[in-house]
Amino acid sequence: AQSVTQPDIHITVSEGASLELRCNYSYGATPYLFWYVQSPGQGLQLLLKYFSGDTLVQGIKGFEAEFKRSQSSFNLRKPSVHWSDAAEYFCAVLTGTASKLTFGTGTRLQVTL
Amino acid sequence: DSGVTQTPKHLITATGQRVTLRCSPRSGDLSVYWYQQSLDQGLQFLIQYYNGEERAKGNILERFSAQQFPDLHSELNLSSLELGDSALYFCASSASLDQETQYFGPGTRLLVL
Repeated sequence: AQSVTQPDIHITVSEGASLELRCNYSYGATPYLFWYVQSPGQGLQLLLKYFSGDTLVQGIKGFEAEFKRSQSSFNLRKPSVHWSDAAEYFCAVLTGTASKLTFGTGTRLQVTL
Repeated sequence: DSGVTQTPKHLITATGQRVTLRCSPRSGDLSVYWYQQSLDQGLQFLIQYYNGEERAKGNILERFSAQQFPDLHSELNLSSLELGDSALYFCASSASLDQETQYFGPGTRLLVL
């Protein structure tokens, strides 16, 4: 069965610093991968997605992610974090034969000024 | 704003009661998904409907049921509520059946006392 691992439960970065959130997936075929962000008390907003093609995908709010098949990873990056980026970030995988998203446990990002 | 709407935003009820959560998908989307977000289980897929028909089931309790109406809105019915049903319930929608990006609503926060 497919699964998603986000090894970091909580990350703190200074405003202006770079950010990388880790995501590893387990799935036999080429996965469809997503990053969503959840601000406190809010719903899930799609940041970016990977279906196929270029392994470096650009998303909203200056985020990007790189799909690495050899490492089964889909890490999220941002070169310079803003205080408003503080939120919880979820990596998710959509299999090719089912419709459901399988989510990781999330990484809570704290930004210090 | 994803275009997916959910009502109510908050719901407080007692154990043993029954509640109905409502979701309107994005305009033109035929698939509706329900997810539960709880502290102990994380984000879990409950059920999917496509154009009025149930298409996939996840970890949905027998006390829970859902339906999608001809106008494509969906309702999630939770009965014989228990304390452990307290959670954030999300609805998501996508354009078609499979392998599509899912857009999430703001959620309904259910508190069972």
